[in-house]
Amino acid sequence: AQRVTQPEKLLSVFKGAPVELKCNYSYSGSPELFWYVQYSRQRLQLLLRHISRESIKGFTADLNKGETSFHLKKPFAQEEDSAMYYCALYTGANNLFFGTGTRLTVIP
Amino acid sequence: GAGVSQSPSNKVTEKGKDVELRCDPISGHTALYWYRQSLGQGLEFLIYFQGNSAPDKSGLPSDRFSAERTGGSVSTLTIQRTQQEDSAVYLCASSLGAGAPNTGELFFGEGSRLTVL
Repeated sequence: AQRVTQPEKLLSVFKGAPVELKCNYSYSGSPELFWYVQYSRQRLQLLLRHISRESIKGFTADLNKGETSFHLKKPFAQEEDSAMYYCALYTGANNLFFGTGTRLTVIP
Repeated sequence: GAGVSQSPSNKVTEKGKDVELRCDPISGHTALYWYRQSLGQGLEFLIYFQGNSAPDKSGLPSDRFSAERTGGSVSTLTIQRTQQEDSAVYLCASSLGAGAPNTGELFFGEGSRLTVL
């Protein structure tokens, strides 16, 4: 069965430090992976998807099929990056499975 | 409207009462999803609609939960005989439809916070 694991519920980093939010998945098919973000008092929204291979707000994520991971990275964290981040897996059955989320706090 | 609209934004009810939560998707979006967001539980998939039909109801936690969608637009999630464990934020999302390039891009509402006393 499909599964998305985000091992860290809380993550704190200092402003300017690198940040990595971990995501591992379990899926027998060809995965499509996404990161969603929810800033304080805002709606949950798409941050990036692995097929786009783009950098959004300085964040990148590489799909590693060997390690079944899709970690989200940013070299220099900013205060405005503080938010709840969800990793999500699309299985082709018109469903998007979300992880439990990681709350990132960037300390000024 | 400009985005997915949900109502009510907050609902406090007594255990055993029925509640209805409403979702207005973005105009033209054929796919509609309901999720439940609980503390420490992440986002739990409840049900998905393509048009008016629900091909996947597997996420509904019990037969007290039901959902319908009419006219390919507005959806209602109904919880009967509410229990305290039903307390959560219920999120609705819509998308243009299944298949690339829309795959996985869901547009979420602000949610309906349900508190069962």
